Amino acid sequence: EIVMTQSPATLSVSPGERATLSCRASQSVSINLAWYQQKPGQAPRLLIYGASTRATGIPARFSGSASGTEFTLTISSLVSEDFGVYYCQQYNNWPLTFGGGTKVEI
Amino acid sequence: EVQLVESGGGLVQPGESLRLSCAASGFIFSSSWMSWVRQAPGKGLEWVANIKQDGSEKYYVDSVKGRFTISRDNARNSLYLQMDSLRVEDTAVYYCASGYCSSASCYANYFDPWGQGTQVTVSS
Repeated sequence: EIVMTQSPATLSVSPGERATLSCRASQSVSINLAWYQQKPGQAPRLLIYGASTRATGIPARFSGSASGTEFTLTISSLVSEDFGVYYCQQYNNWPLTFGGGTKVEI
Repeated sequence: EVQLVESGGGLVQPGESLRLSCAASGFIFSSSWMSWVRQAPGKGLEWVANIKQDGSEKYYVDSVKGRFTISRDNARNSLYLQMDSLRVEDTAVYYCASGYCSSASCYANYFDPWGQGTQVTVSS
């Protein structure tokens, strides 16, 4: 099973600032990596797939990148609605696995 | 409007069974891979199972193999999860989720949209 490790566990950011979230895979997952946002009491929402492709309707302030087994989600200029927990997920191997999440506090 | 609505959750004792349902609307259900993903209280997400459009392929996380069965009824736009021999560690919110479809294609293993979830509690 591929283990996905996210850091930091919690990120405190002020509106307008840049947020950088990291996700590391225990072995290669190519670019088969997705990012989700989950707000309290809500279902997750897909943000990014293929490591860097935004899903339909996702604002351009969200971007993803990859370098080997290291993946980054960047929120270029945070707005208040961006608070929540962010999860990465690999879909290169079975079972599909998620990281433990990064909580973004505004 | 695309919508997924789960039902069937509840409180059961260890060893008992539950059947979850997910009603889909607003998209072509029969064209989408479908999945169940769960979230234990205060924890992260765990993929449980998924099923191909025609039901010919099914995949499970090891911890539920032999106990859970995913199925679908395309005529009813519905997804199911039969959960037998439930354990305390199966306690979670269970989400129904569709494989994501872009304007170009539909994909199996990353998910959008998701339902709002149904709570399953296994406790004696």
